[in-house]
Amino acid sequence: GPKVLQIPSHQIIDMGQMVTLNCDPVSNHLYFYWYKQILGQQMEFLVNFYNGKVMEKSKLFKDQFSVERPDGSYFTLKIQPTALEDSAVYFCASSLDRGSAETLYFGSGTRLTVL
Amino acid sequence: QQKVQQSPESLSVPEGGMASLNCTSSDRNFQYFWWYRQHSGEGPKALMSIFSDGDKKEGRFTAHLNKASLHVSLHIRDSQPSDSALYFCAASPNNNAPRFGAGTKLSVKP
Repeated sequence: GPKVLQIPSHQIIDMGQMVTLNCDPVSNHLYFYWYKQILGQQMEFLVNFYNGKVMEKSKLFKDQFSVERPDGSYFTLKIQPTALEDSAVYFCASSLDRGSAETLYFGSGTRLTVL
Repeated sequence: QQKVQQSPESLSVPEGGMASLNCTSSDRNFQYFWWYRQHSGEGPKALMSIFSDGDKKEGRFTAHLNKASLHVSLHIRDSQPSDSALYFCAASPNNNAPRFGAGTKLSVKP
């Protein structure tokens, strides 16, 4: 089936540093998402992105967070500066179109550890 | 308050048995439901969607939606050890990103 690739699979950084998580979405998909999963449980919605713009974001999408997809390359989540509570697994997803009928395809996640 | 609540938190069934998972939305705007499954070390993968009242069957999986109560269930018949995973219910209002419940951890014992 369609594949979403996330790079790197693990990232360890010191608190206060900047980190960029990379996502290679399904090639013809237009909508992109980031979710945060803590302790292998709750999947928390962060942000939805389309055509260069944030379409929707949650309260978890703090001011320190930003997303972009320059020139159709990786869809990235940048955290600057990082905090201890940012430690989690971050999942990228993509969908062909917008709407509740659309299937989201997820990557395997990036495990972020902030020390 | 979480928009999507799931029960039970964990469930153990014997191989060949029936697993039943439950989900409720607390927001009437969130009435488009999905079930996702996540195996350890992987991302969630969509199992099935259900948007209309009644049952929807796909192989061994049957989803049931009651839109009046915003309750959806997932039943897995003839459960296999490979069905052991974390099952998420996700709900969304039209055209918005889905919100996930806390998940039900299913263990199928050989």
